[in-house]
Amino acid sequence: QSALTQPASVSGSPGQSITISCTGTSSDVGTYNRVSWYQQHPDKAPKLMIYEVTKRPSGVSNRFSGSKSGNTASLTISGLQTEDEADYYCCSYVDNNAWVFGGGTKLTVL
Amino acid sequence: EVQLVESGGGLVQPGGSLRLSCAASGFSFSGSHLNWVRQAPGKGLEWVAYIGAGGNTWYADSVQGRFAISRDNAENSLSLQMNGLRREDTALYYCASDRDWAFNSWGQGTLVTVSS
Repeated sequence: QSALTQPASVSGSPGQSITISCTGTSSDVGTYNRVSWYQQHPDKAPKLMIYEVTKRPSGVSNRFSGSKSGNTASLTISGLQTEDEADYYCCSYVDNNAWVFGGGTKLTVL
Repeated sequence: EVQLVESGGGLVQPGGSLRLSCAASGFSFSGSHLNWVRQAPGKGLEWVAYIGAGGNTWYADSVQGRFAISRDNAENSLSLQMNGLRREDTALYYCASDRDWAFNSWGQGTLVTVSS
């Protein structure tokens, strides 16, 4: 159950688009379309933003989108807004009944 | 409205035990899969344990054999019995419901501190 790999930080200006990558292995991201993304503001509980690689829960802005290629999943945020500044975590189901999170990415909106 | 409210956290010595609870409301508890996810201070998220609607359980390697997840559908309650606690178990423990292979609702967490 090794953690998925995410960049420690990304940044962008309001209105721009950014992409956060999440690299796993053939035991998790590469095999299962069970990748989800979470947004966490300081001292708040995580919030589900994307599930099953590309799906958005009701109420989540369509500025958030997900994709996957091989062992790497990605979260793209378009039209950056100041309230998007937060930590973002990817998560995947893993062989043998487990989940693994990425180390998290701090998004700064300049 | 979905609500998950954790309780039971506190300060415990290494090697000690603690039992966390999560009171649920606003959704079909008995038909839901549930999890515990933790976050050490200043660190990332770590999945801890899962219990399916049918009662099957899964555990992270780091807690296998020390922690036990259980549910009481009559009381709409989820529990985590933690034994043999280690300093590295210090974290904010969240309960989270699970649908479509994702953690769709989260509580606010309960803090567990393992220290002498």
